[in-house]
This record gives sequence, C-alpha cells and structure tokens, in this order.
Amino acid sequence: KAGVTQTPRYLIKTRGQQVTLSCSPISGHRSVSWYQQTPGQGLQFLFEYFSETQRNKGNFPGRFSGRQFSNSRSEMNVSTLELGDSALYLCASSLASGELNEQFFGPGTRLTVL
Amino acid sequence: AQSVTQLDSHVSVSEGTPVLLRCNYSSSYSPSLFWYVQHPNKGLQLLLKYTSAATLVKGINGFEAEFKKSETSFHLTKPSAHMSDAAEYFCVVSDTGTASKLTFGTGTRLQVTL
Repeated sequence: KAGVTQTPRYLIKTRGQQVTLSCSPISGHRSVSWYQQTPGQGLQFLFEYFSETQRNKGNFPGRFSGRQFSNSRSEMNVSTLELGDSALYLCASSLASGELNEQFFGPGTRLTVL
Repeated sequence: AQSVTQLDSHVSVSEGTPVLLRCNYSSSYSPSLFWYVQHPNKGLQLLLKYTSAATLVKGINGFEAEFKKSETSFHLTKPSAHMSDAAEYFCVVSDTGTASKLTFGTGTRLQVTL
C-alpha cells in the first residue's frame, strides 16, 4: 500500500509569489491535515480537511489556505510569500477524523522563500 | 489549551544503555498522547499512543511510555538503545473533540554513541 505522497519535494520561490503544494493520502483515507515545521516554531498545525470540508484550523493568517478534492487529494496554497514561510510542510492522512485514527505523515515539501 | 513540554532538547546515550525521553503535558480535557519519531529526510512515524485504555503503552521497536495523570507526564523509555534509534522524537497531545489537531512538543534529539 502506497504511503502519503507530497509534491513537489523541494520548491524555491521569491517573496510576493504564491505557491501550491499537493498531497495524496493513503488510499481509503478521507482526512488530510497539514503542518508547518520550522526550526524556530517547531511543528504547527495548519488545517484539516475531511470529505472536502475544512474541519479544524490552526492559528495561521488567511494567506494560508487549502482545499480537498472528491478523491481526498488535498492542496495547500500560500499567497504573497514571506521569508518566514520558509519551512518543511508536512501532510498527514488518516482514515477518518477522530482520536483513534493514526495520522500517517508524508515526507514533506521543503519550501524556501528568497 | 493543550500543550506539551519536552524537558530535554538533546539526549545522548551509549548503545545498549536505557533511553529516557521526558514529556509533560497540559490539557483541559482527557488527552490522547502520542510519541512520534522523525529520522533525517523522512516523514514522522508513530511510535505509540495513549487513549485512556491502559496507562502503560507499548510501541514499536521496543519503546514504551507510561501515562501518569498525577504527574501529568508521558515519558518515553527503551531498555536498550540501538544505533538506529538516533533521531528526533516528538511528544504530541490531542484533546478530545479536536482529535485531528495535534499539538507537538519542541522535540528531543536522541544521539546514540558506540
């Protein structure tokens, strides 16, 4: 069974640009969550999607948005990039939205903003 | 609000000696607690989880953790360290009701020496 895949793995952008990251969950998983990992702030929850609906949201500005498609694949978009958005963005999938469901993480997309 | 505090940012042990990674939590509700491991350039992997079924939780690769409500602790232990255990370890909490929103600790880097 294939794991969570994220594309692209590496990305370089400049300030002011926008970027879209993609996440394909494990087959059959309906919940997708996104996290940002930086050396200074650690791992922080961005948002969770389940059945194409955003269920939970972290404390990030509106420049960070996401969506989920009917096949459970998810995209995350960051507009008007800032230097501080440089981070490893991790996607995690689980069967459903609930505490007993283990989240499986992808390898991440490393975004560098110049 | 939920939070976790990992008491050591870096732990160094010799191969074959016990491992202890310390974690204290704060939660308004009955928490679910997890330990994740992150090897370099790899995604996060779940080691074990506590969801109120048993206070002593056994995980993969010989790791275990004990939930102590009176001490609000969830320390990770392993009787004998192996070189392959060298990685970053994260203590994670999830409150009931927002179960898919994981709150990560700052991480403990485990170094294993010969």
